[in-house]
Amino acid sequence: QKEVEQDPGPLSVPEGAIVSLNCTYSNSAFQYFMWYRQYSRKGPELLMYTYSSGNKEDGRFTAQVDKSSKYISLFIRDSQPSDSATYLCARPSGGSYIPTFGRGTSLIVHP
Amino acid sequence: GAGVSQSPRYKVAKRGQDVALRCDPISGHVSLFWYQQALGQGPEFLTYFQNEAQLDKSGLPSDRFFAERPEGSVSTLKIQRTQQEDSAVYLCASSLSSEEQYFGPGTRLTVT
Repeated sequence: QKEVEQDPGPLSVPEGAIVSLNCTYSNSAFQYFMWYRQYSRKGPELLMYTYSSGNKEDGRFTAQVDKSSKYISLFIRDSQPSDSATYLCARPSGGSYIPTFGRGTSLIVHP
Repeated sequence: GAGVSQSPRYKVAKRGQDVALRCDPISGHVSLFWYQQALGQGPEFLTYFQNEAQLDKSGLPSDRFFAERPEGSVSTLKIQRTQQEDSAVYLCASSLSSEEQYFGPGTRLTVT
């Protein structure tokens, strides 16, 4: 079992929809999580990071952690076709910030 | 400014051939990372440099994989005697410290 699990999708939504992307994690000791976005034929880029308490908001993006269910969510409001990409959740490994990634969820936002 | 660049972008190798993949990090970035991304999977950590020192190579899958960064700038990932299971995208990332990493576009390796 991987340390962070994601449904690979694809998830297809119409433009303007609210998108919910989810990960589960196995170790309740994890305190810090990251969301990356990866466009086709590009490397991942860090979207946002969040600690295991509360929400974090950045523009149209909100990251949320539910410690009791070991669930990490990324919400995208007013989704745009340009949001079409693979979204990877990750947690840092050991004492460093080297991310251990989930397999990613492919999102398609159609006009 | 210029981001992380990788070359070649695409490489086709026959099984058994040796390949060398190059990474040019962002100027001044101390840390450099290599990842392997198989189709439909997230990136998997291979190895990490701080300047020219290879601090962690725990993710290298076999002794056929070798990475170097002799002058603390450009890095090369070498794969000897390539196998079909080596087919993947190889990503390089750099960072000023060990926090936010900036990824290159990757090299897609296909072993036939």
